[in-house]
Amino acid sequence: GQSLEQPSEVTAVEGAIVQINCTYQTSGFYGLSWYQQHDGGAPTFLSYNALDGLEETGRFSSFLSRSDSYGYLLLQELQMKDSASYFCAVRDSNAGNMLTFGGGTRLMVKP
Amino acid sequence: EADIYQTPRYLVIGTGKKITLECSQTMGHDKMYWYQQDPGMELHLIHYSYGVNSTEKGDLSSESTVSRIRTEHFPLTLESARPSHTSQYLCASGSGLRYTFGSGTRLTVV
Repeated sequence: GQSLEQPSEVTAVEGAIVQINCTYQTSGFYGLSWYQQHDGGAPTFLSYNALDGLEETGRFSSFLSRSDSYGYLLLQELQMKDSASYFCAVRDSNAGNMLTFGGGTRLMVKP
Repeated sequence: EADIYQTPRYLVIGTGKKITLECSQTMGHDKMYWYQQDPGMELHLIHYSYGVNSTEKGDLSSESTVSRIRTEHFPLTLESARPSHTSQYLCASGSGLRYTFGSGTRLTVV
């Protein structure tokens, strides 16, 4: 099976940089992706990594190290609207190539 | 514009009622999914489909059923709703590492 670990809660101030970590255990790893979900809303896709390294999309970047079974989402120049839950998800070839989601990290951005 | 749609957005029903949650996508995706999510909690896969006439149960046991008669349509049915079914139900489509989610149906069974 698969398991993903991410912190349950992170707090940061507006304008700061925050890193949300995700470690995973899976037998047929195919890639790691990140989703943002505001309260009452639906998850929306942010970024993915299939290979090691850093992917940058505006203020958001995602990193993957397959040898360490570890990735992170980096949010820069935090804004109040970034307050949301962030989920990492792994694609596992031994689980029908579907995504399995972590428990989510609730990010609170304070003024 | 290609998208994924869920109706109703909110639903309050009595115990024992039969309900169908609708999900349609216009992106031409073969793979579709239903997730159940309680507020502030993780997403649990309850059903998925690889294409027309293909349906499978997910990791979380659910008393609901699904059908996939058309590529774009993936409805979820509860034959007899119970208070334990109160939750948010999210439909998604896509493959690989990128899914697109509908807005969800927040179901309350009283």
